[in-house]
Amino acid sequence: DSGVTQTPKHLITATGQRVTLRCSPRSGDLSVYWYQQSLDQGLQFLIQYYNGEERAKGNILERFSAQQFPDLHSELNLSSLELGDSALYFCASSASGVGETQYFGPGTRLLVL
Amino acid sequence: AQSVTQLGSHVSVSEGALVLLRCNYSSSVPPYLFWYVQYPNQGLQLLLKYTSAATLVKGINGFEAEFKKSETSFHLTKPSAHMSDAAEYFCAVSDPGTYKYIFGTGTRLKVLA
Repeated sequence: DSGVTQTPKHLITATGQRVTLRCSPRSGDLSVYWYQQSLDQGLQFLIQYYNGEERAKGNILERFSAQQFPDLHSELNLSSLELGDSALYFCASSASGVGETQYFGPGTRLLVL
Repeated sequence: AQSVTQLGSHVSVSEGALVLLRCNYSSSVPPYLFWYVQYPNQGLQLLLKYTSAATLVKGINGFEAEFKKSETSFHLTKPSAHMSDAAEYFCAVSDPGTYKYIFGTGTRLKVLA
């Protein structure tokens, strides 16, 4: 158990819909990262937050947004969903940032029908 | 920009044989390098990381990796494969300048009885 929790574990929705994925980092960790893992794209870094502020942005679509709240949990919002958004979404946390081990949650499996 | 290349998306070895998973990186500054393992239906977990303290890094489960600056490589090895090593392995680099983590495309290790 990494100490990072993600909810829900599974999510099935329809095209055009909006969903919210939630992540609680390990106790004491200030950084949260979001990743998308799919068969054709591999593991893609989406975005990082540090202590409530956006720190780094990767291949995140404009339809996607994220935030980190004062209690340090984070949410990833996916809107106008397309079939191609079906993937595993991982959250990871680390103490602060560069060079540190990331601890991954178990992931949320999203299926868009 | 940082990048990571993992040679071989699938590697098969016999139980008891040497495991060698290849990773090359490109970086203009000394990077932080990581190997993560992902078992089926789980999140990623850290095997080992290089943070410039020593070029030969020992990790969990008997794995080790050697940082070779001249070859820009960070290959993962294990002297004797075990059935439980079957998983997907990811090499990653942490970019000190942008805070981004860049993951390789992964290598799926199969261990044959």
